[in-house]
Amino acid sequence: GQNIDQPTEMTATEGAIVQINCTYQTSGFNGLFWYQQHAGEAPTFLSYNVLDGLEEKGRFSSFLSRSKGYSYLLLKELQMKDSASYLCAVMDSNYQLIWGAGTKLIIKP
Amino acid sequence: IAGITQAPTSQILAAGRRMTLRCTQDMRHNAMYWYRQDLGLGLRLIHYSNTAGTTGKGEVPDGYSVSRANTDDFPLTLASAVPSQTSVYFCASSGSEGNEQFFGPGTRLTVL
Repeated sequence: GQNIDQPTEMTATEGAIVQINCTYQTSGFNGLFWYQQHAGEAPTFLSYNVLDGLEEKGRFSSFLSRSKGYSYLLLKELQMKDSASYLCAVMDSNYQLIWGAGTKLIIKP
Repeated sequence: IAGITQAPTSQILAAGRRMTLRCTQDMRHNAMYWYRQDLGLGLRLIHYSNTAGTTGKGEVPDGYSVSRANTDDFPLTLASAVPSQTSVYFCASSGSEGNEQFFGPGTRLTVL
């Protein structure tokens, strides 16, 4: 079967760094996406990885290892507005997204 | 319109009633999707359309139907609503399959 695993909840301090992990087992791989979802709102796109390595975009970076079925999202210089759920999704061989349940990130002052 | 719109924003529906959730995008995207999001679960794909005139079944299609008469609109119909269809429904679109998806604001549906 297809499976995406990520922690249910994480807590971090404003100004710090946090890493959210995602492991996956899917039928085929056409890229991995990270989305941010604030409570009561729609998911919004953060990053896309299809090759191994690190993609950096401002305070956010995303890493992929296809051989390990593993990705992480790194958030630096955390701000209160970063409190949200972070969704990991893998595009399978049919170009459909398989979604993890999301990681709720709580930022404390 | 800018992006994707969904209507209604929320709805309370009696079991057994028919309901159509509307979705319209103005980005001329070829692909459109309907997901449901339930607490503790990931987004689950209900139906999708890779281009106008074609549709396909996702992970949880039972009890739902869709049509794609043109590029912009992708309505989702519940023929006879049941309480297990209580959920938040998101419509999304992408330029083509394989590209990032853009989401509408969602419809919160409660079936009693």
